[in-house]
Amino acid sequence: QQPVQSPQAVILREGEDAVINCSSSKALYSVHWYRQKHGEAPVFLMILLKGGEQKGHDKISASFNEKKQQSSLYLTASQLSYSGTYFCGTEYGADMRFGAGTRLTVKP
Amino acid sequence: NAGVMQNPRHLVRRRGQEARLRCSPMKGHSHVYWYRQLPEEGLKFMVYLQKENIIDESGMPKERFSAEFPKEGPSILRIQQVVRGDSAAYFCASSPGRREKLFFGSGTQLSVL
Repeated sequence: QQPVQSPQAVILREGEDAVINCSSSKALYSVHWYRQKHGEAPVFLMILLKGGEQKGHDKISASFNEKKQQSSLYLTASQLSYSGTYFCGTEYGADMRFGAGTRLTVKP
Repeated sequence: NAGVMQNPRHLVRRRGQEARLRCSPMKGHSHVYWYRQLPEEGLKFMVYLQKENIIDESGMPKERFSAEFPKEGPSILRIQQVVRGDSAAYFCASSPGRREKLFFGSGTQLSVL
């Protein structure tokens, strides 16, 4: 069991917006978002613990719809530094499982 | 406060040898997760441990792979009789508790010749 992410890849121009979705067939206790740049370790972005919760910092925010068992990550006015692969992670019981990732490329 | 430390960063083994990957969690963290990642792919869950206990090892092959997190010392992921298909990046992550953010180590790149 692992969450399903969409789209698989996104290409943007600087300043454009993007949405990455994460859905689950099972009830979610929490949703985590991480970004991994090529050749590096994943880095934590944010965690959402309650249905309906929304969080954000800088121009990256996320929402968690517990009833629909899904979360979305919003990137607005994208910058070159946003490039990387974004993973959502969810807890099914004890462990943390990640989606297959969404590769985001921001071009000048 | 040092981050999650993994060593070695790169490990080369010949088929049939043993690979031991080490992970020292952040200070105060008692939860450790191991993930495997192939190039251009996602993080595949292997095992979740708390101090001295394996909580969930459902993502780990039953043969050749084992993990431990002793009371003292780092967590160890052990792969016996390695095969070429074991070549991958292995990441560990730690957290202070459940439903808290994970801090990842820099990973160990295992290459099997």
